[in-house]
Amino acid sequence: DVKVTQSSRYLVKRTGEKVFLECVQDMDHENMFWYRQDPGLGLRLIYFSYDVKMKEKGDIPEGYSVSREKKERFSLILESASTNQTSMYLCASRVINYGYTFGSGTRLTVV
Amino acid sequence: AQRVTQPEKLLSVFKGAPVELKCNYSYSGSPELFWYVQYSRQRLQLLLRHISRESIKGFTADLNKGETSFHLKKPFAQEEDSAMYYCALSGYGGSQGNLIFGKGTKLSVKP
Repeated sequence: DVKVTQSSRYLVKRTGEKVFLECVQDMDHENMFWYRQDPGLGLRLIYFSYDVKMKEKGDIPEGYSVSREKKERFSLILESASTNQTSMYLCASRVINYGYTFGSGTRLTVV
Repeated sequence: AQRVTQPEKLLSVFKGAPVELKCNYSYSGSPELFWYVQYSRQRLQLLLRHISRESIKGFTADLNKGETSFHLKKPFAQEEDSAMYYCALSGYGGSQGNLIFGKGTKLSVKP
């Protein structure tokens, strides 16, 4: 089974802090994704990456950045956390022409 | 524009009743369609994809290209089917292969 591991299940951060959300997959997948999940809004794509050091903006990249220094790790960075970034963050990886495998999510609260 | 529409935020049925979760899509081409499910406190997981044409946990979904729909059906709902269901589509190749999600339907199966 593919495993996608998100380092934290729950995080509480203060407004203005720099926040790092980590995601690691163990199946050598090239494609990795970050989504945020909000009630009534579904899943919205923040950033994705098709390879090491490669990144592409998704639908809602504002206020976020990403880093992919190694193939197995894809980090989401909130440069200066704000309360409207309180959400559930989901990482996923994908084999080409197959479905995604999701991590268990990080519930971030910004106070 | 690429879009997935799930018209019902919440669907409530009694155990043993038939259930149909609606999904309509907009895509200029031939997309691949998926249903994902998220049980309480569990990660998002693939339920089924249209090209495999299989039945998972008694659920089926037929792609209707004329009506651009991919409704999820089960003849007899069980309490353990209570969960959040997301319809999603992807194209083929590059960023076209990214998943686009609907806003989700929460299914509640009452005893």
